[in-house]
This record gives sequence, C-alpha cells and structure tokens, in this order.
Amino acid sequence: EPEVTQTPSHQVTQMGQEVILRCVPISNHLYFYWYRQILGQKVEFLVSFYNNEISEKSEIFDDQFSVERPDGSNFTLKIRSTKLEDSAMYFCASTWLSGRTEQYFGPGTRLTVT
Amino acid sequence: QKEVEQNSGPLSVPEGAIASLNCTYSDRGSQSFFWYRQYSGKSPELIMSIYSNGDKEDGRFTAQLNKASQYVSLLIRDSQPSDSATYLCAVNTDGGSQGNLIFGKGTKLSVKP
Repeated sequence: EPEVTQTPSHQVTQMGQEVILRCVPISNHLYFYWYRQILGQKVEFLVSFYNNEISEKSEIFDDQFSVERPDGSNFTLKIRSTKLEDSAMYFCASTWLSGRTEQYFGPGTRLTVT
Repeated sequence: QKEVEQNSGPLSVPEGAIASLNCTYSDRGSQSFFWYRQYSGKSPELIMSIYSNGDKEDGRFTAQLNKASQYVSLLIRDSQPSDSATYLCAVNTDGGSQGNLIFGKGTKLSVKP
C-alpha cells in the first residue's frame, strides 16, 4: 500500500541554523501539506501546496518557512533560522483531490532545536 | 476563529465494550470530517471519513455526523486493548477548496483488558 515517507525521522539542530525536512508524498496525489504538533498539543496546519505553488498558509508559516517541490517526487519544508519554539513533530500529508478527500500522513520528523 | 472541540479524556472502557468519542465544530460551512488515531509518538492514522449526515460503518468503527448540531462522533465496538490511543477529530472548514484540516486536541482512549 502506498504511503507518505519522511526523512529524517529525528533532526537535532542549534538555534539559528537552517533545516530542511523532506517528504515523498503518495505518487498519484496532487495536494501536499505540512502540519506540526508541539509536544502535548494539537496538530496544527502550516501550509498547503498544489500545482507547484502555495495554496494557503497559516499564521505560523512566516517568512522563516518555505516549501518547495524540487522534483517530481520530493516535497520539502525549510526553516531558515530555527528557534527554540520550532521544536515539534512535523508531519507531511498528501491527498489526491483537495477538500473532500482523505489526507494521509507521513511518520513525521521530530525536530529538536537546542 | 474556527474551532474543533473534543473531550480530552481519558476515556476508559473495558475490553469488549463500546467506546463513544465526540467532537463539535464551530464552522457551519464545514463539509468534510475525519477521525484519526494517533499512538504516542506516532503520526495520525486515518480511520474514517464522513461527508453526509447520518452514519457510516467500517468494520468495528461507526462515524456519525449531524451537521445541524455541528457534531461528529466515533463509535468503536468490541473495543480491544490495541485501540488504546488518542483519537483526533479533524474538520475541513473552508468549504473543501484547499483541504486544510483543523484538528481537535484529541480524546485519549484506554481499553482495559
């Protein structure tokens, strides 16, 4: 069964450093998302991506964040200058048709900023 | 602000019993509703989707939707210890155009052998 994959599973970085989180969505899906979950808190939407551009972003997704689909399979989230409060689980999700179809989540990347 | 509310629990049921999980949402324009299961330290795993008023059954799981009351529920029949997890209610609140999900905080379910 196709699944969303994410790398790395755990990333430790120092405050102020840049990190890139990688995702490979399910191959025939067209809509891609990043969510994050701070420990003990709810899953929060960051950004949605369709047709090689951002569809919508939340207030969390400020200028420090960017997304890219560098090739036909990968989908990346970049945090330019990490802060302590960026420590969280970051989940990539994908769906074949926006809105009314199910989103499937990857296993997540645990980001720890020290 | 668009909100999805769930009772955080923990909800404790004996093995074999029915577990009932509830969720309310604030945006009347919501069209798509999902239940995810999340084990500790893991990612959300989709269990059910529901789009129309009424019941939808899949194995031991039944999702119920009442748009007039802005209420979604999940019933788990014949609960097993392996069902012990946090159950997340997620709602697409923007009329389906972008698919961004708003999640509740989740209800922690504990099934006792």
